[in-house]
Amino acid sequence: QSALTQPPSASGSLGQSVTISCTGTSSDIGGYNYVSWYQQHPGKAPKLMIYEVSKRPSGVPDRFSGSKSGNTASLTVSGLQAEDEADYYCSSYAGSNNLGIFGGGTKLTVL
Amino acid sequence: QVQLVESGGGLVKPGGSLRLSCAASGFTFSGYYMSWIRQAPGKGLEWVSYISSRGNTMYYADSVKGRFTISRDNAKNSLYLQMNSLRAEDTAIYYCARDRGDVPGEYFDYWGQGTLVTVSS
Repeated sequence: QSALTQPPSASGSLGQSVTISCTGTSSDIGGYNYVSWYQQHPGKAPKLMIYEVSKRPSGVPDRFSGSKSGNTASLTVSGLQAEDEADYYCSSYAGSNNLGIFGGGTKLTVL
Repeated sequence: QVQLVESGGGLVKPGGSLRLSCAASGFTFSGYYMSWIRQAPGKGLEWVSYISSRGNTMYYADSVKGRFTISRDNAKNSLYLQMNSLRAEDTAIYYCARDRGDVPGEYFDYWGQGTLVTVSS
């Protein structure tokens, strides 16, 4: 299984919105509603931000939202704050007997 | 609160072995799937291995199949990763993570802080 495709970088100004894309295939993103997103600050463990395409775990601000269209998933961060500056990884289930796959990560810079 | 604490990382020569451990607390360990996920220095995440709650189903990434073995001891609330025939490309931070959802790897809701494995002569 190949990694999911994410842009290496994204940026937005404080208070604005930014969307990060994650492109896969019909065997992963397009085939299941099992897309998740993780935030990782430098030197820290990843943190779950979105699961099952658009659900937010308790404690994650509603500024974070997820969606999917066809083989592409998206993470939108609205009302950007300085603490949102981090790496973001998407992940998708890829079928039985396959381990899930991750995207290469997107470094989000808050200007 | 949920805690996952990895240990056992270190420096090992190519071809060597290492056993990672992950101590779980704050939840009923025996009721959850668990996974190991790694991150090479400056790189992205790679799912390494998965084990079912009772330990009777395991999956491995092709890159580690035949060399790594995942196991768990529910009585000790612990997850393990036995790594043999280590290669330079296995150098990474290894995270244990609680695996949630209906299918393996659907999502990981808690992660440990990671343990660094360095394979070098």
